[in-house]
Amino acid sequence: GQQVMQIPQYQHVQEGEDFTTYCNSSTTLSNIQWYKQRPGGHPVFLIQLVKSGEVKKQKRLTFQFGEAKKNSSLHITATQTTDVGTYFCAGVDRGSTLGRLYFGRGTQLTVWP
Amino acid sequence: ETGVTQTPRHLVMGMTNKKSLKCEQHLGHNAMYWYKQSAKKPLELMFVYSLEERVENNSVPSRFSPECPNSSHLFLHLHTLQPEDSALYLCASSQDGGADYEQYFGPGTRLTVT
Repeated sequence: GQQVMQIPQYQHVQEGEDFTTYCNSSTTLSNIQWYKQRPGGHPVFLIQLVKSGEVKKQKRLTFQFGEAKKNSSLHITATQTTDVGTYFCAGVDRGSTLGRLYFGRGTQLTVWP
Repeated sequence: ETGVTQTPRHLVMGMTNKKSLKCEQHLGHNAMYWYKQSAKKPLELMFVYSLEERVENNSVPSRFSPECPNSSHLFLHLHTLQPEDSALYLCASSQDGGADYEQYFGPGTRLTVT
């Protein structure tokens, strides 16, 4: 069955350091979405990647979708304390027509000032 | 953010109680979802409704019963729950039930079963 693996599970960085989380799927994805959940909050949509090899940027955040559409990454440059939270990838199976997102376990980011 | 609202925000119930969780979306979306979020587990999809019809029931125990009276409202009826059902229950909506649209989540209901 569809599985989306995400690593690392936890990451602690000093403010100003970079951060990367990786997402791998057991099957080819039609697209992948990234969400951020602040402590005590709910997941908030960040971005969707659709094309093979696609790269998108949002200020200090860079999102990549692999050529085979089986992996993705989120890289944050020069982290800030406002980046604290859990980052989830969510893959959509290529055969899915129901909007079913398979969520990874998330990477919990802690930023020390 | 008030696009998707959920009530109550916190709920404590005994195993013999019956309660309901409510979700309302103000975004004009056609699809709504229930998710369960427990510690140390990925977000688990429970139910999907598209245009008020249930299109997926992800092997959820019958003690959870969803209801979608219209495209803006979604309920989750709870009865005879178990302590392991304690979790954050998240409602979400999307433009439709297809695979191309982002999901908007509500703030969740933190459920504790005693």
